[in-house]
Amino acid sequence: DAGVIQSPRHEVTEMGQEVTLRCKPISGHNSLFWYRQTMMRGLELLIYFNNNVPIDDSGMPEDRFSAKMPNASFSTLKIQPSEPRDSAVYFCASSLGTSGRNEQFFGPGTRLTVL
Amino acid sequence: AQKITQTQPGMFVQEKEAVTLDCTYDTSDPSYGLFWYKQPSSGEMIFLIYQGSYDQQNATEGRYSLNFQKARKSANLVISASQLGDSAMYFCAMRLSGGGADGLTFGKGTHLIIQP
Repeated sequence: DAGVIQSPRHEVTEMGQEVTLRCKPISGHNSLFWYRQTMMRGLELLIYFNNNVPIDDSGMPEDRFSAKMPNASFSTLKIQPSEPRDSAVYFCASSLGTSGRNEQFFGPGTRLTVL
Repeated sequence: AQKITQTQPGMFVQEKEAVTLDCTYDTSDPSYGLFWYKQPSSGEMIFLIYQGSYDQQNATEGRYSLNFQKARKSANLVISASQLGDSAMYFCAMRLSGGGADGLTFGKGTHLIIQP
């Protein structure tokens, strides 16, 4: 079975450019999460969706960040305009969203470098 | 707000020894779930073990067990018979609302190095 798929795996861009990160959750999962990992701040939740609806975006750092989930099999995280401090590894994760253990399965991450 | 504290930035352990990685948490919510994830140098996040706040017994998954002390708000990960492949970052995380679908709050992690 395919796990969570993220693209691109690596992205290098210049300050001010628009960046779009993509995620395909595990088929059948109805919750999707975007996290960011940096040395300084560790792993932070940015936003999550249940059944394609954004539930909590309080972790989105600024209005420059936006996320969408147009259908159950696809989500995007967009940064416009990008800044050097946005450099990080961005993880997408999905889960079944039912009661119980409900562990989150992480994608391989996108390593973003903003010059 | 919930908080996860991992007080061991790094640990060196001899191969085949048992390892205990510390994790304390802070929440006023009675319903929550605790998780441990492993992140090897390749970068992926691998789920290891889960403990629900109402679970009566400590969770076990193969060589991994969770020493859950609810009154002390601690959820230490125990790895028995450590192996070289256990060298990685280990993160403790918490999700509120017990079995819900909320996001995770992570600790800063512990870098475990297993020495031959």
